[in-house]
Amino acid sequence: RKEVEQDPGPFNVPEGATVAFNCTYSNSASQSFFWYRQDCRKEPKLLMSVYSSGNEDGRFTAQLNRASQYISLLIRDSKLSDSATYLCVVTNAGNMLTFGGGTRLMVKP
Amino acid sequence: EAGVVQSPRYKIIEKKQPVAFWCNPISGHNTLYWYLQNLGQGPELLIRYENEEAVDDSQLPKDRFSAERLKGVDSTLKIQPAELGDSAVYLCASSLQYGNTIYFGEGSWLTVV
Repeated sequence: RKEVEQDPGPFNVPEGATVAFNCTYSNSASQSFFWYRQDCRKEPKLLMSVYSSGNEDGRFTAQLNRASQYISLLIRDSKLSDSATYLCVVTNAGNMLTFGGGTRLMVKP
Repeated sequence: EAGVVQSPRYKIIEKKQPVAFWCNPISGHNTLYWYLQNLGQGPELLIRYENEEAVDDSQLPKDRFSAERLKGVDSTLKIQPAELGDSAVYLCASSLQYGNTIYFGEGSWLTVV
C-alpha cells in the first residue's frame, strides 16, 4: 500500500462546479499536510497547508480528518485556470515530505 | 527574486551515455533536494543536502547516480550510465531550512532512447 494515495482522475467538471478530492495516508504519526498544485509540464507549487481545524483560502477549502487519516480539498466555483494536477503531501516526524500521485482536474467551458 | 534554476530543461540521450543536471537554489536556502518524478506520479526524493552535506540519500541508486553540492550552493546530479527506465523529470528544490516551504525548479526532462 502506498503511503499517500489519491484518485488519479481525471475529474472533468464544467466551469462553476464544485469539486472535491480526497487523499488518504497510511502513517498515523504523520504531522503536517499540504496540497500542491502542478500545471502541465511545470513544477509543483504549494497551494495551501492543511490544519487540524480546517482552513479556507478564497474558493479553496482544505480539511483534515486524523481519525480516518484523510485530507480533502474542495474547490468552489471552478475556473478554467483551476485545471491542473493536485498533489497531496504528508510529512512525518522527521519532516520528510511524501507526495501522493496526484489528482488531475479538467475544468471545461 | 529568482527561483530555483535548473538546466538543461530537456535532454535526450542514448542508453549507456552519461548525463548531468545542474541546479541553482534560491539564494540563502540551506536545504537542497533532488526529486524524481515519473509520468502520472508524484515526486520522490532522491537526495537531500543540508549546506554541502548529503543527509538523506537512501533513495539514490548509488550504482549509477551521484550528486554533489560544492560550497553548499549549486548542485549537480549525474547518471552514468543512463538506462531506459531513467526517463523522467528530475526536479531540484530548495528551502530556507529543513521543514520550511519547499520551492521547486521547473525540472530537467530526461528521455533515454
